[in-house]
Amino acid sequence: EVQLVESGGDLVQPGGSLRLSCAASGFTFSQWWMHWVRQVPGKGLVWVSRINPAGITTNYADSVKGRFAVFRDNTKNTLYLQMNSLRAEDTAVYYCGRDNWGTVDFWGQGTLVTVSS
Amino acid sequence: DIVMTQSPDSLAVSLGERATIDCKSSQSILHSSNNKHSLAWYQQKPGQPPKLLISWASTRESGVPDRFSGSGSGTDFTLTISSLQAEDVAVYYCQQCYTTPLTFGPGTKVDVK
Repeated sequence: EVQLVESGGDLVQPGGSLRLSCAASGFTFSQWWMHWVRQVPGKGLVWVSRINPAGITTNYADSVKGRFAVFRDNTKNTLYLQMNSLRAEDTAVYYCGRDNWGTVDFWGQGTLVTVSS
Repeated sequence: DIVMTQSPDSLAVSLGERATIDCKSSQSILHSSNNKHSLAWYQQKPGQPPKLLISWASTRESGVPDRFSGSGSGTDFTLTISSLQAEDVAVYYCQQCYTTPLTFGPGTKVDVK
């Protein structure tokens, strides 16, 4: 059974940093592209980033480019999102997901990031 | 960026009746390698992550009830729930899977009338 478990969400001050983790199991993690998608509670879904299986190719939404970095450790079956220079508008639930031809076919339960002073 | 729009914003349908949600992409999302449209539909229930229902505009995912169907071509797509059940109350999103940034529609809330 595919499982994705996010962690690392927290309350952080504007300008601060946070690292999210996504532990994967139930599939060969090293063979799949992976995504981060976020959602402000009560609002819609917004794609954030993706990374290829080898961890070499990454893509970002313009709103996070230069501030966020996605990376992975295939030996630990874990996906990460390093978030720097956080802003109030980054407040959201962050989901990790497995890619399947551009869809997200499996989602984690999400982790809440709150950026506030 | 490819902009995805959905209509209506919300709808209420009687149990057993049909629900129809439209989705439009701002440009073609036809995948040249297989001549299929890179369009997905998701269902999100309160307090849960989204669930993939349909990929390639019309391919139901494993385990998805056959009352859910997807159709469309060009830039216009439709999700149909043929006979609404109580457990179908949710927000439904379309997404273009054609190119980054991947983009979602704003969502359509489906309720029971």
